[in-house]
Amino acid sequence: QVTLKESGPVLVKPTETLTLTCTVSGFSLSNARMGVSWIRQPPGKALEWLAHIFSNDEKSYSTSLKSRLTISKDTSKSQVVLTMTNMDPVDTATYYCARMDDSSGYSLDYWGQGTLVTVSS
Amino acid sequence: SYELTQPLSVSVALGQTARITCGGNNIGSKNVHWYQQKPGQAPVLVIYRDSNRPSGIPERFSGSNSGNTATLTISRAQAGDEADYYCQVWDSSTAEVFGGGTKLTVL
Repeated sequence: QVTLKESGPVLVKPTETLTLTCTVSGFSLSNARMGVSWIRQPPGKALEWLAHIFSNDEKSYSTSLKSRLTISKDTSKSQVVLTMTNMDPVDTATYYCARMDDSSGYSLDYWGQGTLVTVSS
Repeated sequence: SYELTQPLSVSVALGQTARITCGGNNIGSKNVHWYQQKPGQAPVLVIYRDSNRPSGIPERFSGSNSGNTATLTISRAQAGDEADYYCQVWDSSTAEVFGGGTKLTVL
């Protein structure tokens, strides 16, 4: 059974750095056909892709947020970590991680439940 | 950067067919995926690689992709199909991009 679960702070202050962890089970981050993406969704707004990482450590970032994002993985812990620097109230959103599978054209076939992060002083 | 355009809303009568479009430059050359999101829930994949249904998705959901438009079709629409729907593409030139989402209302 494939599951993903996001964890991290519920509240961060402006200018702080956000660190989110996605813990996966039911598949391995070393699987050559798999990757993990981070996506966010501000309240009442659309989905926005942030970053992804593949088993070979290949990474890609949203062009608009690239300077603020870092994605990494710890295969032994089955975790993918996303950091976002210089947080602002407009970054308030539900943050999701999701699995990418080559067999389905790298669609996001399993999603975590999401974690709401509020940016406020 | 690559952009995907979806209508803000689509309405369909109960039992009829709904079509949700996703426009993008030469989108027919890319793999398009579709997600359904109900209020308070995470998105669910309903169509991958243009026209393929994951296990557990009803046959009423289908997809097509050609030229500059991809389309999600929902046949015999049910009240439970009311949701936001997002298209998404990924390839090495675009990374991952989502459309702005379409709210489907079943009347």
